[in-house]
Amino acid sequence: GQQLNQSPQSMFIQEGEDVSMNCTSSSIFNTWLWYKQEPGEGPVLLIALYKAGELTSNGRLTAQFGITRKDSFLNISASIPSDVGIYFCAGSNGGATNKLIFGTGTLLAVQP
Amino acid sequence: KAGVTQTPRYLIKTRGQQVTLSCSPISGHRSVSWYQQTPGQGLQFLFEYFSETQRNKGNFPGRFSGRQFSNSRSEMNVSTLELGDSALYLCASSLLQGAGNGYTFGSGTRLTVV
Repeated sequence: GQQLNQSPQSMFIQEGEDVSMNCTSSSIFNTWLWYKQEPGEGPVLLIALYKAGELTSNGRLTAQFGITRKDSFLNISASIPSDVGIYFCAGSNGGATNKLIFGTGTLLAVQP
Repeated sequence: KAGVTQTPRYLIKTRGQQVTLSCSPISGHRSVSWYQQTPGQGLQFLFEYFSETQRNKGNFPGRFSGRQFSNSRSEMNVSTLELGDSALYLCASSLLQGAGNGYTFGSGTRLTVV
């Protein structure tokens, strides 16, 4: 099945560090979404982006919708232990009959 | 406000059997989508239901089917189970049809086929 390319695959960082991850696609999307998944749970929506070039924040998280509409970026500032999880990007072309195409995921581990 | 509820949480089945998974969406949400999550393929779209009608279908064999009831609850069925069907099956609901507004996911049903 189709998946978007996400990098890095995993990150092991110290508490307080900033984190950057990105997601690329071979095709354009009208909507980019970022989710976080913790063990034993379903993904939780963090940020939704609807316009090329858009920069949106949610607390310490900031995400950007790439100008080409083929990529998106997520930054986490001043990481804390509860940021641990797998982060997924997802693209959608909107409309009534659509689905999300998910990225391969970035595993984030934060050492206190 | 109750979230998306999936039952059962864990299931072990034998090859060749069939299984039915259940999903209750957030109250008022009329769209229910199903995804399969495996280590190898990641999160893959199965199908979406809105107002009891299947609106979109992913690339899965016909052994995978679903339905939605008038109260928006949804079930998915997998017949003639194969070892490769072992996965976390996630249900997601949204107020409107389509994925653009982002879903609310349930905690999933972990299916193991032996």
